Order: sequence, then structure tokens, then C-alpha cells
Amino acid sequence: ILNVEQSPQSLHVQEGDSTNFTCSFPSSNFYALHWYRWETAKSPEALFVMTLNGDEKKKGRISATLNTKEGYSYLYIKGSQPEDSATYLCALTNRDDKIIFGKGTRLHILP
Amino acid sequence: EPEVTQTPSHQVTQMGQEVILRCVPISNHLYFYWYRQILGQKVEFLVSFYNNEISEKSEIFDDQFSVERPDGSNFTLKIRSTKLEDSAMYFCASMGLAGLETQYFGPGTRLLVL
Repeated sequence: ILNVEQSPQSLHVQEGDSTNFTCSFPSSNFYALHWYRWETAKSPEALFVMTLNGDEKKKGRISATLNTKEGYSYLYIKGSQPEDSATYLCALTNRDDKIIFGKGTRLHILP
Repeated sequence: EPEVTQTPSHQVTQMGQEVILRCVPISNHLYFYWYRQILGQKVEFLVSFYNNEISEKSEIFDDQFSVERPDGSNFTLKIRSTKLEDSAMYFCASMGLAGLETQYFGPGTRLLVL
């Protein structure tokens, strides 16, 4: 059974600090890895899609890396701000066109 | 910026009734998806749709579920005979030409089956 694991489940970070969290996935049959940012009462917002081993993507203070050989991706947030508080979801697309979501990491930025 | 829209935002229905959830994807997108999230659980993939047919579906997407794109703009999810366990938030998403682009999600329809 394909499973995407995210850790930690929940994270409290002081405003201004940098943080990162992990998405682990089975590396066989890999096609693409997606990161989404999901604020309460809104729909998931796409951050990145990555396909190649060693890929790094950056969007403002947020960046992500991908290791398809060992099956993990890191999401980094530099200098956390209150507006970064959200749930960060990762999702795996495999070659069968199935998309599997992790449970998310809920990030709380403390003032 | 173009966006995916969904109607209704909330739907309450009696068990056994049929419901149709509607989505208007971004206009030049070709790949369409339905997901659901039962309260407190993770987002689950239901079905993907491309070139007017289902390309992939999950175990959840049984004979009670169907999708169609009746008029080239709307993308609908029909549940024929709703069950209590169908209560969830249903999200539609669409994606552009290349399969490796990000998906754009709609705001969701909250379905409550009584």
C-alpha cells in the first residue's frame, strides 16, 4: 500500500525563526512530488511540483528539496512570519497517475 | 488570476438521496480531479478525468459515484445514493496541459448526509 508520511504532525515556531519538515514516500514508481499550503477554511494552494532527484525549488522564503532515491522531500521556511501558519501537505503522483496525500504538517507561528 | 470554482459551498441531504457537486475548472485545463476529506482525516483521491474519460479512480470511487463533463465547462461528481459516511469536504482540482504542472484546487463543497 502506497503511503506518504509527513513529520512532524504539528510544529510551533517562533516568528523570525527558520524551520523545516519532511515528506517521506516510497521511491518506486515515483513520478512527481507536490507541496501544497492549506490555510483553514480555504482550498489547498500549490507551492511546488518536483520530479527530478536533487530538484530544488524556491518561492520567496519557502524552498523544497527532493531525493527520489531515498524517498524524501524537505520543505524549508526561512524567517517564519505569522502568515506562514497553515497546514503543509505533500502529495505523491506515481506512474499510474494516482495521487496520494500525506496527512500534513500543521505549522503554528508564535508571535 | 484564474480559479477553480465549486457549487454549492454546502449541501445537506438525506441518506439515500442523489447529490451532484459541480465544479468549473480553469478554462484551458485538460486534467480534472475530485478529492474528499472526511473531517479529521487526510485528503483522499477519488478520480482523475482526461479526454472525456476517467483515467484513474481509487477504491473509494465505487458504482455509487460518477463524473462527467456535460458541456465542456462544468465537471460534476454525482453520488447516486448517499450514505452517512459520504459526509465530507469534496474538492475539485484541475491541471493544465502538461501532467507535471501543479493542480489548482477549488474551495470545496461541504456535504453533510443525515
